Amino acid sequence: NAGVMQNPRHLVRRRGQEARLRCSPMKGHSHVYWYRQLPEEGLKFMVYLQKENIIDESGMPKERFSAEFPKEGPSILRIQQVVRGDSAAYFCASSPEMRGPGETQYFGPGTRLLVL
Amino acid sequence: GDSVTQMEGPVTLSEEAFLTINCTYTATGYPSLFWYVQYPGEGLQLLLKATKADDKGSNKGFEATYRKETTSFHLEKGSVQVSDSAVYFCALNSGGSNYKLTFGKGTLLTVNP
Repeated sequence: NAGVMQNPRHLVRRRGQEARLRCSPMKGHSHVYWYRQLPEEGLKFMVYLQKENIIDESGMPKERFSAEFPKEGPSILRIQQVVRGDSAAYFCASSPEMRGPGETQYFGPGTRLLVL
Repeated sequence: GDSVTQMEGPVTLSEEAFLTINCTYTATGYPSLFWYVQYPGEGLQLLLKATKADDKGSNKGFEATYRKETTSFHLEKGSVQVSDSAVYFCALNSGGSNYKLTFGKGTLLTVNP
């Protein structure tokens, strides 16, 4: 049973370019979370999605960032016009039906974005 | 809002030493508590969890007890190995509308032979 997959693992962009990060959840999981890890910081929640729905995007910057989880295919986190402050590790997590706060979220290996 | 405070690192120990990493939290309601481990260059792996007061989570020789009275979830291991070298994150989930995890800043553990 494959785990959560993310690609690319490393991404280098110049300021002003777009970054697209992909996440394929574990088989049978319909809930996806995106978190951002800044250097020497813990992970911070960005957005919570279910298939075709954004449930909560309260942790995501209002400008330049967007996320989707289409009916078919991976979840995408898109960052337009990247700036140096966007350099971070972006982690995706997935879970089956969230029956309560004790449900485990399973993390992917992350995408490390470097903005030059 | 929810928050997690964990022991600042780095922590350096010799093999077979006793490990404690302190974690305290602030949350509304009755959160579930987690310890995740991150090995260099990898994602986070669940180490253990506890979903209600006085529960003890355990895995691979690590354990932590959910203490509601002290709002703590300290991680312990009786005898660490070199392979335990990693960053350890304490986290909570209060539920609510989004079930997001709130993380501490992480504690880097280095175990020397």
